[in-house]
Amino acid sequence: DAKTTQPNSMESNEEEPVHLPCNHSTISGTDYIHWYRQLPSQGPEYVIHGLTSNVNNRMASLAIAEDRKSSTLILHRATLRDAAVYYCILRDLRGGSNYKLTFGKGTLLTVNP
Amino acid sequence: KAGVTQTPRYLIKTRGQQVTLSCSPISGHRSVSWYQQTPGQGLQFLFEYFSETQRNKGNFPGRFSGRQFSNSRSEMNVSTLELGDSALYLCASSLVPANTGELFFGEGSRLTVL
Repeated sequence: DAKTTQPNSMESNEEEPVHLPCNHSTISGTDYIHWYRQLPSQGPEYVIHGLTSNVNNRMASLAIAEDRKSSTLILHRATLRDAAVYYCILRDLRGGSNYKLTFGKGTLLTVNP
Repeated sequence: KAGVTQTPRYLIKTRGQQVTLSCSPISGHRSVSWYQQTPGQGLQFLFEYFSETQRNKGNFPGRFSGRQFSNSRSEMNVSTLELGDSALYLCASSLVPANTGELFFGEGSRLTVL
């Protein structure tokens, strides 16, 4: 499966926008880009996903580069509750059983009051 | 609706023992996947069960095994525990196979091996 690379940690101030980058230079044409986040003492939760076009939902926006080799998760106004580890993963939604669902270490986002 | 439930939440074992962890998925979900989370390796995939069949397995030794029952509840077992097995074990349920559907995670079972 294609691999993703994320910074180990990032810091932001409350009510400011946050841009979390993810590199996936070996992405294939059928790979969807998914983001999950893990709040302290909880299991990961789904944030957003996309294929080619930029996506928005109530939690965040996902900006995907034209060549799809990188993407950015955008939190428009960070709150203290957004402090979490953010995981960027690629998932081939064609199905099949030969896949690896590895989240890696993600990016630890610290939000300062 | 009720979320994914994992039991026990915390447990302590000694080296050489075995442990069984349980995961009850969201009602109607047929896929349960298991993950090991450690500070050094992050969140790693163990295996997935879908409709009582193991669909895929990560790169873990045979000491790690699992099964799924007809009501979709799943158990994972680790035999001959080693110190390095200390970790947070998470399970996730999905309506469709784990590599295609949105994953809903439980809060995890934290295992400490002494």
